[in-house]
Amino acid sequence: QKEVEQNSGPLSVPEGAIASLNCTYSDRVSQSFFWYRQYSGKSPELIMSIYSNGDKEDGRFTAQLNKASQYVSLLIRDSQPSDSATYLCAVRQNYGGSQGNLIFGKGTKLSVKP
Amino acid sequence: GAGVSQTPSNKVTEKGKYVELRCDPISGHTALYWYRQSLGQGPEFLIYFQGTGAADDSGLPNDRFFAVRPEGSVSTLKIQRTERGDSAVYLCASSLYPLGGYGYTFGSGTRLTVV
Repeated sequence: QKEVEQNSGPLSVPEGAIASLNCTYSDRVSQSFFWYRQYSGKSPELIMSIYSNGDKEDGRFTAQLNKASQYVSLLIRDSQPSDSATYLCAVRQNYGGSQGNLIFGKGTKLSVKP
Repeated sequence: GAGVSQTPSNKVTEKGKYVELRCDPISGHTALYWYRQSLGQGPEFLIYFQGTGAADDSGLPNDRFFAVRPEGSVSTLKIQRTERGDSAVYLCASSLYPLGGYGYTFGSGTRLTVV
């Protein structure tokens, strides 16, 4: 069973700080990686995707991928209280007939304190 | 439709009963996925449809769970002889690209409670 590991937190940062969320995965051949944000009682929403080694920036969000270390991270700059949510790391399965479905980590709960 | 629609939003059923959960994907999305999420956990994969056929049903926990998508659009997840351990939020997602390379969009979920 392919696995995606995340620190469950909670991670608490002050408003305006950088929040750093980390994820490791077990399937060395994985090619597609995603970060979803889930507010309490809501369904996950896609915020970032990354496919190549290095950094990908979108507004206050930066996704980082290191395939050699099987490590994905999400940085949130200038954190706001509205960023308080659970952040789910997801990796696309890539073997047999399972191409397409995502494997999710348990999520890291982020709390941004005003 | 504009988004992935799931009905009902909440379902309470007695242990041993049969339930059906419905998912209406985004119009034109050929790939459809079912997940379930328990409290404090990430979504757990159940089954993936490409068109009308189940491309991967390896996540279905046992033969009490079954899903169909007869016309390649709406899907129904069916659970027989429900157990208290089936209580969870059941999430449906759809994708324009079947390999999910662009991630996919979730519906708002059905909260199933088995009492």
